[in-house]
Amino acid sequence: DVKVTQSSRYLVKRTGEKVFLECVQDMDHENMFWYRQDPGLGLRLIYFSYDVKMKEKGDIPEGYSVSREKKERFSLILESASTNQTSMYLCASSKGKGGSVKTQYFGPGTRLLVL
Amino acid sequence: AQRVTQPEKLLSVFKGAPVELKCNYSYSGSPELFWYVQYSRQRLQLLLRHISRESIKGFTADLNKGETSFHLKKPFAQEEDSAMYYCALSGAWGGATNKLIFGTGTLLAVQP
Repeated sequence: DVKVTQSSRYLVKRTGEKVFLECVQDMDHENMFWYRQDPGLGLRLIYFSYDVKMKEKGDIPEGYSVSREKKERFSLILESASTNQTSMYLCASSKGKGGSVKTQYFGPGTRLLVL
Repeated sequence: AQRVTQPEKLLSVFKGAPVELKCNYSYSGSPELFWYVQYSRQRLQLLLRHISRESIKGFTADLNKGETSFHLKKPFAQEEDSAMYYCALSGAWGGATNKLIFGTGTLLAVQP
């Protein structure tokens, strides 16, 4: 069974703080993704990575950065948290590349509140 | 530009009634389309994908390239079908990165 875990279920931070969200997958997946999920907006891709130390911007990368030093771990960093980054953050992973698109497996989510 | 449109934010039906969750997409090439579902207090998970042409939990979805649609259907809704449903699209770029574009989601509420 694929397992994607996220370091926190709930986080409360202050405006201007640096925030780290961690995601770990245990199935040796090459691809990892960070989304934010907002009511009425669906899932929007922030960043993704298809290999260690590789990263690509998604649709809404502004205000975020990522780090992938090990295959199993993908970190999302909010350099200076702002109230408009209050959201549910979902991490996902999928296997390989090429051929048909592979199933994405999601973590339980981290609900971040920025005060 | 690639886009997925789910026109209904909320769909409320009675148990036993037919269900159709609408999804339209914008993509000029050969798309791969998916339905993902999120039940209350559970993580988002794949429900079905068009290339598999399968029925999962009684749900089916047919890709209609002429109408650029991938509607999700079930003939008789059950209360346990209540969930948030997301339609997702991948284009030719998806094969390289497995990237998906998600719609805004439809909340299905099945009333007893």
